[in-house]
Amino acid sequence: EVVLTQSPATLALSPGERATLSCRASQSVSSYLAWYQQKPGQAPRLLIYDASNRATGIPARFSGSGSGTDFTLTISSVEPEDFAVYYCQQRSNSLTFGGGTKVEIK
Amino acid sequence: QITLKESGPTLVKPTQTLTLTCTFSGFSLSTTGVGVGWIRQPPGKALEWLALIYWDDDKRYSPSLKSRLTITKDTSKNQVVLTMTNMDPVDTGTYYCAHTRENILTGFDYWGQGTLVTVSS
Repeated sequence: EVVLTQSPATLALSPGERATLSCRASQSVSSYLAWYQQKPGQAPRLLIYDASNRATGIPARFSGSGSGTDFTLTISSVEPEDFAVYYCQQRSNSLTFGGGTKVEIK
Repeated sequence: QITLKESGPTLVKPTQTLTLTCTFSGFSLSTTGVGVGWIRQPPGKALEWLALIYWDDDKRYSPSLKSRLTITKDTSKNQVVLTMTNMDPVDTGTYYCAHTRENILTGFDYWGQGTLVTVSS
């Protein structure tokens, strides 16, 4: 089973700052990686698919990069509505989610 | 417009079997590449994938839970059913069903609202 390790666990930022979230896979997942945003009491929302493609309706400030074992989700300038928990997910070998990164207000 | 909705018991006793139904609209589970998965989330914890069924009836299960899970589909009713046997308090959490199109993208692009299942005697 592929283990996805997300870091940091918590990221404290002020609105307008840049957010860089990491997802590392225990073995190569090629580009079969997705990113989600989840707010309290809500279902996750797909942000990025296949490592670097924005899902429908996702603002351009969200971008994804990486392949193989190292992936990054970047929020170029954090907006107030972006404070949430972010998860990565792979489907290269079975299907697994990472443990999440909480982006909180500094 | 794609929508999914989970239904089932909110409370189950330890050792009982949980049966959850995902009723969806806006897509067909007979369309090539389409799948419906189940994902759960214990309170305050991370997402955990459980099972996935595809348009061609291919079924995939979480290795750690495979012995307890069964996923089926009824294409005519637009439903996917998940059963989980031998429920335990650690299985308490919100259970989501979600849509995927793996011939187009990686990920679940539409999710149900989730249903909270509590396991307690």
